[in-house]
Amino acid sequence: GDSVTQMEGPMTLSEEAFLTINCTYTATGYPSLFWYVQYPGEGLQLLLKATKADDKGSNKGFEATYRKETTSFHLEKGSVQVSDSAVYFCAFLSGNTPLVFGKGTRLSVIA
Amino acid sequence: DAGVIQSPRHEVTEMGQEVTLRCKPISGHNSLFWYRQTMMRGLELLIYFNNNVPIDDSGMPEDRFSAKMPNASFSTLKIQPSEPRDSAVYFCASSPSGQGKEKLFFGSGTQLSVL
Repeated sequence: GDSVTQMEGPMTLSEEAFLTINCTYTATGYPSLFWYVQYPGEGLQLLLKATKADDKGSNKGFEATYRKETTSFHLEKGSVQVSDSAVYFCAFLSGNTPLVFGKGTRLSVIA
Repeated sequence: DAGVIQSPRHEVTEMGQEVTLRCKPISGHNSLFWYRQTMMRGLELLIYFNNNVPIDDSGMPEDRFSAKMPNASFSTLKIQPSEPRDSAVYFCASSPSGQGKEKLFFGSGTQLSVL
């Protein structure tokens, strides 16, 4: 069935390090793809999205490119900050079904 | 806009007690979702409503769980009787219909501890 697989955490990076969180999906058709972020003690919020192949979503220095050939939507940031410490969720939307979320990847950034 | 409002923020109860979680979605949003988050299973969709009507409750773990949406501005998730394995953070989320449906707005969650 439809699913999202993202890399297991937790991850710990030093400030200014490069971040990659891998995400691949299995879905019928051409889904829209999303990254959501959950800061400590809060609910999830939309970080960025891409709705068709080769689209790049970007926000707050984060980027992800919709790769249809590899069914991937990896999240990247060139230089992370302590304030980026959070749980990151990959998700997709296909047809009339609700968003399908991955299990989340916890990121800790240390100064 | 106040966002999605959940209450209580924290709930501690004893096994066997009834627990009721409450949610007020964003005004004008047509869809409402209840999620459960645990370390072991991540984020699980329990049930969702469109225009106050339950559409899919296949994620509700057992008959002990029930959810209602009596009107467009209020929903409850009830667990009766509660068990320690129900301990989790429960999130409510709402979204508009149509093209905006991919953007879910989450509440701050209810941290439930069943002793």
